[in-house]
Amino acid sequence: AQKITQTQPGMFVQEKEAVTLDCTYDTSDPSYGLFWYKQPSSGEMIFLIYQGSYDQQNATEGRYSLNFQKARKSANLVISASQLGDSAMYFCATSPPTSYGKLTFGQGTILTVHP
Amino acid sequence: NAGVTQTPKFRVLKTGQSMTLLCAQDMNHEYMYWYRQDPGMGLRLIHYSVGEGTTAKGEVPDGYNVSRLKKQNFLLGLESAAPSQTSVYFCASSYSVAQKDNEQFFGPGTRLTVL
Repeated sequence: AQKITQTQPGMFVQEKEAVTLDCTYDTSDPSYGLFWYKQPSSGEMIFLIYQGSYDQQNATEGRYSLNFQKARKSANLVISASQLGDSAMYFCATSPPTSYGKLTFGQGTILTVHP
Repeated sequence: NAGVTQTPKFRVLKTGQSMTLLCAQDMNHEYMYWYRQDPGMGLRLIHYSVGEGTTAKGEVPDGYNVSRLKKQNFLLGLESAAPSQTSVYFCASSYSVAQKDNEQFFGPGTRLTVL
């Protein structure tokens, strides 16, 4: 079984600064995917970034990058140049290849961006 | 192209009542999922479907039933609602379970309260 742990219930960051949201995972599968989703106060779930366990390079998507440390089983999300619109709940999730795409989510981290 | 839609958006039930939540997607996705979101627990998988006519149990299936009679629709039923089923319900779909292509598209959610 997979388990995702997000140890930061809440984070604060100043606008235009960078912030790192932590995610650690526990899986026995040799291959797996790691995902980050954003949930604004409006409630919808927005896909941000994906990292495969065999990918050699850390994933990047615009201002989002994933700091993937396989040996430590961590997949931290880095948001550069924070914007007020980044204030939201952020979820880390994993999906092993044999799971028909089922996602296991962490508890989430609430990010607040201050002007 | 509406993506993933959910009906209804809000509902209040009394204990013991039944209801059906409808999820519809117009992206011709093969895979569909029902999650529930409770405070402090992230999203948990209730049931999922890997194709028309097929369903399977997720992490928290008790008290729910599902059906996928048409590829574009995935129905979640509560036969006898309980207060413990008060939650926000999300439907999601994806066109592939291959790791890199397993981005799941989420509906807007249904907020259900059981009194």
